[in-house]
Formats: sequence, C-alpha cells, structure tokens
Amino acid sequence: DADVTQTPRNRITKTGKRIMLECSQTKGHDRMYWYRQDPGLGLRLIYYSFDVKDINKGEISDGYSVSRQAQAKFSLSLESAIPNQTALYFCATKGRLNTGELFFGEGSRLTVL
Amino acid sequence: LAKTTQPISMDSYEGQEVNITCSHNNIATNDYITWYQQFPSQGPRFIIQGYKTKVTNEVASLFIPADRKSSTLSLPRVSLSDTAVYYCLVSESGGSYIPTFGRGTSLIVHP
Repeated sequence: DADVTQTPRNRITKTGKRIMLECSQTKGHDRMYWYRQDPGLGLRLIYYSFDVKDINKGEISDGYSVSRQAQAKFSLSLESAIPNQTALYFCATKGRLNTGELFFGEGSRLTVL
Repeated sequence: LAKTTQPISMDSYEGQEVNITCSHNNIATNDYITWYQQFPSQGPRFIIQGYKTKVTNEVASLFIPADRKSSTLSLPRVSLSDTAVYYCLVSESGGSYIPTFGRGTSLIVHP
C-alpha cells in the first residue's frame, strides 16, 4: 500500500461545482502539502500544514481551501471549480526535519469543463 | 530563500553519463541540496541529498564543490527509463522551510 494516498485519481467536473481532493498518509509525518502542476511547469504550492492546527497559504491559494482533519489527512477543496483549475494535483508529506525528503502521492488529475 | 537555476532541458543517449548542474549562489551555511526525479503523471521522488563534496547511492552521484554555490547530479550510463524531469532544491535547515520546486530539467534519453 502507498504511504501517501490521494483520492480520486481522476475527476471530470463542470464549472461551478464543488470538488474535494483527499489525501491520507501512513508516514506519521506532521507536515503536509498540496501542489498543483500544469503541463510543462514545475509544482506550485497551494497550501501547507505543519500540524493539525496549522494551515498556511502557499503561492497560489486563491480559489482553494484546505482542511487538516487529523495528522494523517489533508483535504483540498475547490468551492466553485473553474476551467483554469484543470491540472494535476499532488499531495506530499514530510517529517519535522527540514532536510528530510518529501513523499508524494500518485496525483489527482482534475478536469473542469 | 536560496533560488536555484538549472537547464530547462537536456538530451542524451542510452549508455552515456548525464550531468545536470544546478546553481544556488545564495545557499546558506547549513542548507542541504536535494534532487528529485519525476516521471510523467507521477509525483516526484527523492533521488539524493548532500551537503558537501560527493555523495553516491545506487541511483546517482551528487558532486558539490567547496563553495557550494552549485551542484551536479550525475546519472551513470542512462537508459530510456531515466527520461524524466529532475528538480534541484535547496533544503533549508532553519526556520519553517517550504519546499519550492522550479521547472526542473527535462531529460530525454534517446535509443
């Protein structure tokens, strides 16, 4: 089983719909991140959380919200999806050591029509 | 925040050694250099990390000169399966470090 699991893996939705992408991890890590990747571009940070009571905006948080329901779960929501939010979304986790490696989920491909 | 610069793309052939250099001129004393590999439609995965001189594992080697203002990821005898995007990050040891990815280097290995 994967250490970092994202659901759904693929989702097609329509403009204006509310969408939730879920991430769960079995690494026991405190730090969790949501990134977005567009074709030919690197990963851009949407939100991150250092523990259950900590939520921080990243580079491109507009149009997104998150919830850290437990240490192991970090959900990303699009309250009203728009076509330019079509992208590949990755969840990642990391331990407290700053130099520790990131562990990524397999990605959630979202298409907004 | 130490900014990194690396080539956008590189081409190679099977069996050759590939060296990807990353510049990080304002790296701080206690920062580490970390490299990730990403295959299409997959999340990046950790390859190697180093602080100074040379680090080698089963996948790659990482060369870091004394001034630490750059680093070179070396992939020995690449195969088609090494076609991927490679990201160089400076992992800050202090404060609330936020992993930041640039566009990476897209390596294409040809038969």
